[in-house]
Amino acid sequence: AQSVTQLDSQVPVFEEAPVELRCNYSSSVSVYLFWYVQYPNQGLQLLLKYLSGSTLVESINGFEAEFNKSQTSFHLRKPSVHISDTAEYFCALSYNFNKFYFGSGTKLNVKP
Amino acid sequence: NAGVTQTPKFQVLKTGQSMTLQCAQDMNHNSMYWYRQDPGMGLRLIYYSASEGTTDKGEVPNGYNVSRLNKREFSLRLESAAPSQTSVYFCASRGKRKVRNTEAFFGQGTRLTVV
Repeated sequence: AQSVTQLDSQVPVFEEAPVELRCNYSSSVSVYLFWYVQYPNQGLQLLLKYLSGSTLVESINGFEAEFNKSQTSFHLRKPSVHISDTAEYFCALSYNFNKFYFGSGTKLNVKP
Repeated sequence: NAGVTQTPKFQVLKTGQSMTLQCAQDMNHNSMYWYRQDPGMGLRLIYYSASEGTTDKGEVPNGYNVSRLNKREFSLRLESAAPSQTSVYFCASRGKRKVRNTEAFFGQGTRLTVV
């Protein structure tokens, strides 16, 4: 069975500090991995995705994630966060055409 | 580009009432999904449709029915609403082609309260 685990339900951090949001997955087959962001009272937006090739993927707003097959992880990082990064972040995986599984989410709270 | 459109945005129902949540996408996607979002539980898949004319159960299908009316539209029906169905419902779509590496696109959600 496939599953996604986000260990941290909430991560408080001060502005301009680095942050890491953790995501681990379980799968017996190869998977594709995604990070989504949800701002308050909005739908989910794709932040970045790992499909194949380079294990380090980046988003346009400074986030990056590294696919680590041996540790079955896809952690999301940003070297310096802004107040505007306050949101809920979801890790997701796809292993076949139909299914798309989400983790339980991590609320990032950036404090001034 | 509208993307994925959900209606209504908000709804309050009394226990036992029925209603249908509507979803339409204009991206010519094959797959469509209904999720519910509850605090601390992430998004849980209710039903999905891999293509027009097919539907399958997800993780939490009980109490719901779906219809893939055509390639664009995928509706979710609550026949007899219960307070446990109070949630935020999201529709999503993906895949112009039947490949597994495409991301899902989401609607803005329907906030449903059952009293």
